[in-house]
Amino acid sequence: AQSVTQLDSQVPVFEEAPVELRCNYSSSVSVYLFWYVQYPNQGLQLLLKYLSGSTLVKSINGFEAEFNKSQTSFHLRKPSVHISDTAEYFCAVSQWGNNNDMRFGAGTRLTVKP
Amino acid sequence: EAGVAQSPRYKIIEKRQSVAFWCNPISGHATLYWYQQILGQGPKLLIQFQNNGVVDDSQLPKDRFSAERLKGVDSTLKIQPAKLEDSAVYLCASSLAQNTEAFFGQGTRLTVV
Repeated sequence: AQSVTQLDSQVPVFEEAPVELRCNYSSSVSVYLFWYVQYPNQGLQLLLKYLSGSTLVKSINGFEAEFNKSQTSFHLRKPSVHISDTAEYFCAVSQWGNNNDMRFGAGTRLTVKP
Repeated sequence: EAGVAQSPRYKIIEKRQSVAFWCNPISGHATLYWYQQILGQGPKLLIQFQNNGVVDDSQLPKDRFSAERLKGVDSTLKIQPAKLEDSAVYLCASSLAQNTEAFFGQGTRLTVV
């Protein structure tokens, strides 16, 4: 089965600084990749996804992630963070094929400080 | 469009008691998932349904956990008997088709004392 590793459990940054949240996956077949965000006391929401095509995908609130097949990575980046980006971020992977079995990483807590 | 509905939002039970959670997915979504999220960890897939059939339940502790989706719409997850380590948020999610994004409910926070 596929698996996901999020290398950083916590990432503290100052407001307007750039940030990168790292995600690596392992799978024996091709994959779909997702980043979900969980704001305090809220449910999981999809932030962005890679299904096919361009390896660089973007969200509406300034985040982007790049699928790197050779490095089996899908790191999330934002050039300038806001206080409101403080949340838990989860990377997830599902495998091509009949079974859309989505597996999640342990999460990275992003804390943006003023 | 209504989201994924889950109930109850919170539940406190004593160990060895039983508990059931209910999920109503987004209308038309064929795939339904139950995840367990222990505090400080990522969601762990317990079971996945495609319509009313089980696709993957490899991580479901079948000695105490059971789930069903009889008519291919809403679903229930049951724990009997509960253990202290079952304390977690139980998330239900649904997706329209295979390999499309999953939409999550607010979850049920279970505390076993």
